[in-house]
Amino acid sequence: AQSVAQPEDQVNVAEGNPLTVKCTYSVSGNPYLFWYVQYPNRGLQFLLKYITGDNLVKGSYGFEAEFNKSQTSFHLKKPSALVSDSALYFCAVRDLGYSTLTFGKGTMLLVSP
Amino acid sequence: GAVVSQHPSWVICKSGTSVKIECRSLDFQATTMFWYRQFPKQSLMLMATSNEGSKATYEQGVEKDKFLINHASLTLSTLTVTSAHPEDSSFYICSAETSDSFITDTQYFGPGTRLTVL
Repeated sequence: AQSVAQPEDQVNVAEGNPLTVKCTYSVSGNPYLFWYVQYPNRGLQFLLKYITGDNLVKGSYGFEAEFNKSQTSFHLKKPSALVSDSALYFCAVRDLGYSTLTFGKGTMLLVSP
Repeated sequence: GAVVSQHPSWVICKSGTSVKIECRSLDFQATTMFWYRQFPKQSLMLMATSNEGSKATYEQGVEKDKFLINHASLTLSTLTVTSAHPEDSSFYICSAETSDSFITDTQYFGPGTRLTVL
């Protein structure tokens, strides 16, 4: 079985400050890890993924995520937040043996001016 | 690249009618398409997985006779909500993935369809 936990329902950060959105996962094999962002009444936009290789993954809009196997974490980060980053962020995992994604419950990011 | 469209973006229908939602991959061939349902302020719930030319695989608890899925081509999948009721009102999102090695392993999502059943 595979599962994802996003422990924070909401993250608040001031514009210009660094942001972190947390994600931990559980899989039986090697994980494929993803971050998606959803704006109101829109579908999900792909931000980045980790399949293999370098533990630090860089994605769209200045976001990056660090894969930590020992802590089973894949936290999303950005050095300097923008008000336009305010949205709902989903972490997702896919075990190599599964064809489907399992999503976390989502974390609302609010960036204040 | 890897653009997925959905049509319509929103639909309002009367209870008892059927509604068809289309999902298209615009610039790649989608070997597999997925249909999700999302309730307000909640995560995505996978409804079914469809592969081109074969029957869809439904998740536990999803009524296959109510939510008809057809994946007739490598660029089109449809979800038909039959005899819709108010409790079917939701945000339906499709996604697609491809065996293309350049963008494989990633699901690309459509913009979603808001269904309201009166």
